[in-house]
Amino acid sequence: NAGVTQTPKFRILKIGQSMTLQCTQDMNHNYMYWYRQDPGMGLKLIYYSVGAGITDKGEVPNGYNVSRSTTEDFPLRLELAAPSQTSVYFCASLGGPSYEQYFGPGTRLTVT
Amino acid sequence: GENVEQHPSTLSVQEGDSAVIKCTYSDSASNYFPWYKQELGKRPQLIIDIRSNVGEKKDQRIAVTLNKTAKHFSLHITETQPEDSAVYFCAASFRSGTASKLTFGTGTRLQVTL
Repeated sequence: NAGVTQTPKFRILKIGQSMTLQCTQDMNHNYMYWYRQDPGMGLKLIYYSVGAGITDKGEVPNGYNVSRSTTEDFPLRLELAAPSQTSVYFCASLGGPSYEQYFGPGTRLTVT
Repeated sequence: GENVEQHPSTLSVQEGDSAVIKCTYSDSASNYFPWYKQELGKRPQLIIDIRSNVGEKKDQRIAVTLNKTAKHFSLHITETQPEDSAVYFCAASFRSGTASKLTFGTGTRLQVTL
């Protein structure tokens, strides 16, 4: 099992550009999450999904969109990137009777 | 929604001493309380967790205690070692059949000095 994988590892965007952060899990987990972590801070929930075709907003959804067409994939879309979106983005998944969320390695995004 | 507060923000201890990090939560419905360790540039790693039906849990040098009445939980690390140096995050969630969202504290930077 690769677990939770994320691409790219690093990205620099110019203000106003768009991009998609990819997240894939091979554990057949129903729940998937996107978090952002600003320097020196905890993780804040952006969006989450409880299964294919079902998504919902977290604490900080503005400026982002998600989709969940398959169980495995949960891409995060940034439209019109802004400097405030400079952060490290973590994807996570949870499944079965477990309470543990498994995190991907993260994507470090800089918007200049 | 849930709000989690974590203290202290930084903690420096000498090798071999104990370290204690405390968190409080606001939602009495929360039933799952994990602790994550994050090394620089790495993903958060679960080190221990506790569910609301248990008051204490121990795994070698680390332990977590939960006081549901006061809505606070704590991480205890004994016999600290330099490799314990990292940022530690507490979190709280309500796990049900249809939802499970973690709310994180702001983190504690633990430094273990020789």
